[in-house]
Amino acid sequence: LAKTTQPISMDSYEGQEVNITCSHNNIATNDYITWYQQFPSQGPRFIIQGYKTKVTNEVASLFIPADRKSSTLSLPRVSLSDTAVYYCLVGDRDNYGQNFVFGPGTRLSVLP
Amino acid sequence: EAQVTQNPRYLITVTGKKLTVTCSQNMNHEYMSWYRQDPGLGLRQIYYSMNVEVTDKGDVPEGYKVSRKEKRNFPLILESPSPNQTSLYFCASSKGGSLPYNEQFFGPGTRLTVL
Repeated sequence: LAKTTQPISMDSYEGQEVNITCSHNNIATNDYITWYQQFPSQGPRFIIQGYKTKVTNEVASLFIPADRKSSTLSLPRVSLSDTAVYYCLVGDRDNYGQNFVFGPGTRLSVLP
Repeated sequence: EAQVTQNPRYLITVTGKKLTVTCSQNMNHEYMSWYRQDPGLGLRQIYYSMNVEVTDKGDVPEGYKVSRKEKRNFPLILESPSPNQTSLYFCASSKGGSLPYNEQFFGPGTRLTVL
């Protein structure tokens, strides 16, 4: 499994765009990149997933450069309710049982 | 409502007293998994199951057992709990098959304290 590295914490202010970068230098050809969000005392929630280039949904965007050795989760105009821990996961599409390896994540604090 | 349920939500027990945490999903998902979460360590996978009667160890399986006799249920068994198993436990399920968009749905969590 490709190891991922993320910043431990980040601070932002309401209304700003937040970008959280995840490094995965050993990503394999079959690996997908998935991001989850977790609020205190709740289970993680799927945010977005991608393989290459850019993916956008109603919640976030995911930017993946051509070499796929990193990815950036972009949260537009954050609010206080976006304060949470964000996890980057990398896993093989054909061995999904082992895909879900969560690291310490990035603790995002949104300030008023 | 599609959901993953866990019981109990909170449990305080003593060392060595066998316990079971139940997990059930109503989404007909093939894949189910158990995690524990400890401060500063993120979520660590204990066991997972790709389908009925198929289970595999995750990163931290020692001291735990699981079974998957039915598709919807995936109980976590602690035969002889110890204080280092004090943690927040999450059960999760997903529809299975290859990616993409094979997202996991998580239960509300079970906070276990072993004295």
